[in-house]
Amino acid sequence: KNEVEQSPQNLTAQEGEFITINCSYSVGISALHWLQQHPGGGIVSLFMLSSGKKKHGRLIATINIQEKHSSLHITASHPRDSAVYICAAFNADGLTFGKGTHLIIQP
Amino acid sequence: EAGVAQSPRYKIIEKRQSVAFWCNPISGHATLYWYQQILGQGPKLLIQFQNNGVVDDSQLPKDRFSAERLKGVDSTLKIQPAKLEDSAVYLCASSTGALRTDTQYFGPGTRLTVL
Repeated sequence: KNEVEQSPQNLTAQEGEFITINCSYSVGISALHWLQQHPGGGIVSLFMLSSGKKKHGRLIATINIQEKHSSLHITASHPRDSAVYICAAFNADGLTFGKGTHLIIQP
Repeated sequence: EAGVAQSPRYKIIEKRQSVAFWCNPISGHATLYWYQQILGQGPKLLIQFQNNGVVDDSQLPKDRFSAERLKGVDSTLKIQPAKLEDSAVYLCASSTGALRTDTQYFGPGTRLTVL
């Protein structure tokens, strides 16, 4: 059974700071999702990664398959980035979700 | 807001049997996707609907797979007859827009095992 661990669980930062959220998983996967969930909102897929790195605006996601580790970075963070960020790993069991990182960006 | 719903979560069948999966997208989402994820591979798009019309079904094995979204809301994906190589997780996703780059919301998936 795949276990997905995220760190930190909670993160409060000031506007403009560089943010890093980490995700580790225990078994081999075929792809990893980074998801975003706003209070009261549904889950939105930010990235789907199989290898390397992807960038979309101020968001960057990287994955190291050998180390079973992925990171989500936010540059020039903004209060609207405040949300729960969840990593979810694809394998034969479907999507295994991490518990999420609750990010608060203060103005 | 409810997410994308899929059922069943797990299904085990023997080869040559038929199986159907159901997906209910987020309310108001015009675009619906079915993906197949085989162990060791990334998800592969099977079919994309825009409302009740098919946008892309180029990777759907049409000799055995079929999908419909008759009223432009929920969708069913059928396999008839199933083969061993159809064992996979079948994911449904929906989005408001029609572009592949539009944010997609995923359901929990249905894991199919064909014996």
